Amino acid sequence: KAGVTQTPRYLIKTRGQQVTLSCSPISGHRSVSWYQQTPGQGLQFLFEYFSETQRNKGNFPGRFSGRQFSNSRSEMNVSTLELGDSALYLCASSFNSATYEQYFGPGTRLTVT
Amino acid sequence: DQQVKQNSPSLSVQEGRISILNCDYTNSMFDYFLWYKKYPAEGPTFLISISSIKDKNEDGRFTVFLNKSAKHLSLHIVPSQPGDSAVYFCAADYGGSQGNLIFGKGTKLSVKP
Repeated sequence: KAGVTQTPRYLIKTRGQQVTLSCSPISGHRSVSWYQQTPGQGLQFLFEYFSETQRNKGNFPGRFSGRQFSNSRSEMNVSTLELGDSALYLCASSFNSATYEQYFGPGTRLTVT
Repeated sequence: DQQVKQNSPSLSVQEGRISILNCDYTNSMFDYFLWYKKYPAEGPTFLISISSIKDKNEDGRFTVFLNKSAKHLSLHIVPSQPGDSAVYFCAADYGGSQGNLIFGKGTKLSVKP
């Protein structure tokens, strides 16, 4: 079974730009969560989508948004990029929203200059 | 304010010996705890979990202990193997779904042959 895939793996953007990251969950998984990992803050939950609906949202500004498609693929968007948005963005999928056994993708490394 | 703390950023252990990774939490409402392992350039991998109604959960070489009165949990790896060298994240949840996972900042374990 193929794992969680994230594209692109690496991205360099400048301040003020916007970026869209993509995540394809494991086949059959309907829940997708997004996390931001930075050296200072560790892994922080961004949001979770289940059956195209946002179920939970972390404590991030409105510049961070996401969506999920009918095939469970998910995208997250960051608008008006700031230097502090430089991070590893991880996507995780699970069969449903009630299980803790998430499977993580390799992440997208975003660098904002 | 960190609700889940891993106070040791790194730990070095000899192959064959026991590795003990520690995690403290502040929120008594947390009812589920998880450990993830992360290799470089890969996403975290679910390792083991424990519900707040238990004080111990074992899976092969990995055992997680939960001390609710001390708000402390630990992961024991016995015997440690060089392949266990990775960053270990402790996570906690109280929302009944993965969307509310709070992660620690991780402990880097190095197992020396």
